[in-house]
Amino acid sequence: AQTVTQSQPEMSVQEAETVTLSCTYDTSESDYYLFWYKQPPSRQMILVIRQEAYKQQNATENRFSVNFQKAAKSFSLKISDSQLGDAAMYFCAYRLIQGAQKLVFGQGTRLTINP
Amino acid sequence: DGGITQSPKYLFRKEGQNVTLSCEQNLNHDAMYWYRQDPGQGLRLIYYSQIVNDFQKGDIAEGYSVSREKKESFPLTVTSAQKNPTAFYLCASSIVLSGTKQYFGPGTRLTVL
Repeated sequence: AQTVTQSQPEMSVQEAETVTLSCTYDTSESDYYLFWYKQPPSRQMILVIRQEAYKQQNATENRFSVNFQKAAKSFSLKISDSQLGDAAMYFCAYRLIQGAQKLVFGQGTRLTINP
Repeated sequence: DGGITQSPKYLFRKEGQNVTLSCEQNLNHDAMYWYRQDPGQGLRLIYYSQIVNDFQKGDIAEGYSVSREKKESFPLTVTSAQKNPTAFYLCASSIVLSGTKQYFGPGTRLTVL
């Protein structure tokens, strides 16, 4: 079975600085997707970034980028120029490319932005 | 506006009662999902459906039931057999195509008194 682990329950960063959230996963499959979702206090899940496992290039979305290390099964999220609105729970998730499109989530990391 | 609606936002029930959570989408998505979220944990999949009149158990289906009679609707019933039903429930939907993302509803907070 696939599992996703986020080893940092909480992180904090000063506004405008950079922070990296860690995620590792376990799978025997070679074709899959990895995601980072943000859950603000409203509890609405918002997709931040997506990575296809077959792509070597790391995905980027504005201030958000990932460091995808397939051999190490590691998928970290870097947030640059942190803003107060980035404060939220962040979840790493995994999904197979083929078959049922069900997501497997990590436990989450609560990110606090200090002004 | 297109999206997913869940109602009600907060739900209270007495122990031993069944309760049904609503999930409706107007995105014309084929697939729909129900997740449960507990404090300190990520989301866990309860049930999912990739087409009308078909659904599959997820990782924690015991004590829950679903139906998918219409493409737009995927209600979740929490039965009295669910031992610890107090949680936050999220519904999601997606097109059944490789690479597409799941869209989430605003969630329902269920509290058993």
